[in-house]
Amino acid sequence: DGGITQSPKYLFRKEGQNVTLSCEQNLNHDAMYWYRQDPGQGLRLIYYSQIVNDFQKGDIAEGYSVSREKKESFPLTVTSAQKNPTAFYLCASSISLDRSTDTQYFGPGTRLTVL
Amino acid sequence: SQKIEQNSEALNIQEGKTATLTCNYTNYSPAYLQWYRQDPGRGPVFLLLIRENEKEKRKERLKVTFDTTLKQSLFHITASQPADSATYLCALGSNQAGTALIFGKGTTLSVSS
Repeated sequence: DGGITQSPKYLFRKEGQNVTLSCEQNLNHDAMYWYRQDPGQGLRLIYYSQIVNDFQKGDIAEGYSVSREKKESFPLTVTSAQKNPTAFYLCASSISLDRSTDTQYFGPGTRLTVL
Repeated sequence: SQKIEQNSEALNIQEGKTATLTCNYTNYSPAYLQWYRQDPGRGPVFLLLIRENEKEKRKERLKVTFDTTLKQSLFHITASQPADSATYLCALGSNQAGTALIFGKGTTLSVSS
């Protein structure tokens, strides 16, 4: 069963704590992405990765960090430096960043709430 | 800076009518445009892609147009059904290497029976 998974679905964090959101795909895609979605807002790009061991900052990378040690995995860490972390986080993947094939497949999302 | 706007936050129509959603953009020359559907609490799902040299694309009850002169894409759902109720997102793509998609805020469609 191919797809992209995110865990957990709901996550609660105390202020000042770092938290890591998991994203795994078995679609053999090279490119992976992290987005944040707030009510009334579109998808805002946090980080993206074209290949293993390489990633680039998106529009709102401050307070976040990522790693891409394996093709299948692209975890996102929300650090205590992120001032307003409560949001819906979406992970996505695509075959590559080649423009003609950049259809994105999204995971089910993780809703993070800071208490 | 690049800007992408979807005509309204919410659109309410009656079952059986055609829903038309608009995506406008400025300060950008996309090589292609995509439309996604998002249900509450879930990730978006890809629907259609249209390239800059294509005027129209169809898929079942869905039709997308792309006018690079007007800098606008229209997304139509014909014979709409309550099951079509969702948020629809447009996204712009570039041929520039290493450039990710730019998403609009979405339009929430409600189809009443």
